[in-house]
Amino acid sequence: DAGVTQSPTHLIKTRGQHVTLRCSPISGHKSVSWYQQVLGQGPQFIFQYYEKEERGRGNFPDRFSARQFPNYSSELNVNALLLGDSALYLCASSLAAESSYNEQFFGPGTRLTVL
Amino acid sequence: GDSVTQMEGPVTLSEEAFLTINCTYTATGYPSLFWYVQYPGEGLQLLLKATKADDKGSNKGFEATYRKETTSFHLEKGSVQVSDSAVYFCALSASNTGNQFYFGTGTSLTVIP
Repeated sequence: DAGVTQSPTHLIKTRGQHVTLRCSPISGHKSVSWYQQVLGQGPQFIFQYYEKEERGRGNFPDRFSARQFPNYSSELNVNALLLGDSALYLCASSLAAESSYNEQFFGPGTRLTVL
Repeated sequence: GDSVTQMEGPVTLSEEAFLTINCTYTATGYPSLFWYVQYPGEGLQLLLKATKADDKGSNKGFEATYRKETTSFHLEKGSVQVSDSAVYFCALSASNTGNQFYFGTGTSLTVIP
């Protein structure tokens, strides 16, 4: 079975531009979470979606938004890019949103570079 | 709020040495605890987990015990191999925040032959 897939793999943008990152969860998983991993740091939680509804939001500005589609895939959008948005963006899927027992399965990430 | 504090790295060990990476946590609920590993150029992979106090998670020779009294979840391996070279992340997921994960800053391990 395919794991979590993300596209694109790498992306280079300039300040002020907009970016859309995409994620497809493992088949049967209904929860998708997004994380930002700055070089040398641990992943920081951005959003969680379950059954197309936002279930959690981390401490990120409103320039960051996301949505989940009926097939449970997800998009992360970032507007007005700043140099500090350069990071590895990780998508993770899990079976459900509510239980803390469920491990999250991570995709390979999208490396975003903002110039 | 919930958080994880992880041992600073980098850590360099000789092959077959004993490994300990310290991890302590702060949580208001009853968290599940995880260790993830990230190999160069790859995403995070679950290494092991423990969902309640005194549980021991184990996988590939790695072990960690959920200690509620010391709020710790230290990672250990008796004999490391070169192939264990990677970055290790401790993480928690608290029941009162759904399935949101909080990660430590990561510990880079290099094993030399």
